[in-house]
Amino acid sequence: NAGVTQTPKFQVLKTGQSMTLQCAQDMNHEYMSWYRQDPGMGLRLIHYSVGAGITDQGEVPNGYNVSRSTTEDFPLRLLSAAPSQTSVYFCASSYLGGLSYNSPLHFGNGTRLTVT
Amino acid sequence: DAKTTQPPSMDCAEGRAANLPCNHSTISGNEYVYWYRQIHSQGPQYIIHGLKNNETNEMASLIITEDRKSSTLILPHATLRDTAVYYCIVGSGNTPLVFGKGTRLSVIA
Repeated sequence: NAGVTQTPKFQVLKTGQSMTLQCAQDMNHEYMSWYRQDPGMGLRLIHYSVGAGITDQGEVPNGYNVSRSTTEDFPLRLLSAAPSQTSVYFCASSYLGGLSYNSPLHFGNGTRLTVT
Repeated sequence: DAKTTQPPSMDCAEGRAANLPCNHSTISGNEYVYWYRQIHSQGPQYIIHGLKNNETNEMASLIITEDRKSSTLILPHATLRDTAVYYCIVGSGNTPLVFGKGTRLSVIA
């Protein structure tokens, strides 16, 4: 059981380049999300999805794009990388439970992105 | 913004209980209290959650006050491997969890 898998682990981009951070989970979780974490800071939510075909914006969505074509995958696209997007990116997933939501988030080990 | 307030840092002697406080005075009736921790640069790890009753699992205990405006995470016998940033979060339903800056716990030998 792999859990939440993020690739790549490390990436260096030049300003203006685009790329996709991959996230896959094998737990049949409906909910998936992307966070970024800057040095010394907590995690900030970028985008999230409550099921295939459904996505929504979090706290810091600008400069990022997502899609959810399958339950398993939730890729995060950087459209035109900027130095301000240098960060560690975490993907997380969980079951949904409506108002009785009590399913914990499962996190991947992160992608460390540097934009020069 | 995070709905919780935590001290930025705490120290604990190895083998002693670590008591990490969290204030969530605006918590609503259907919101749970969740605790996660992040060791070094790894992805956050779920510890425990509760609604209004105290909870215990193999990792920790969660004590929630009767008015639910605050809670305490207890690590009964802290070890050096418990050194981490601990996040207290409130949330419910399909609302995404918002992480604050957490408490940096240092366990000292």
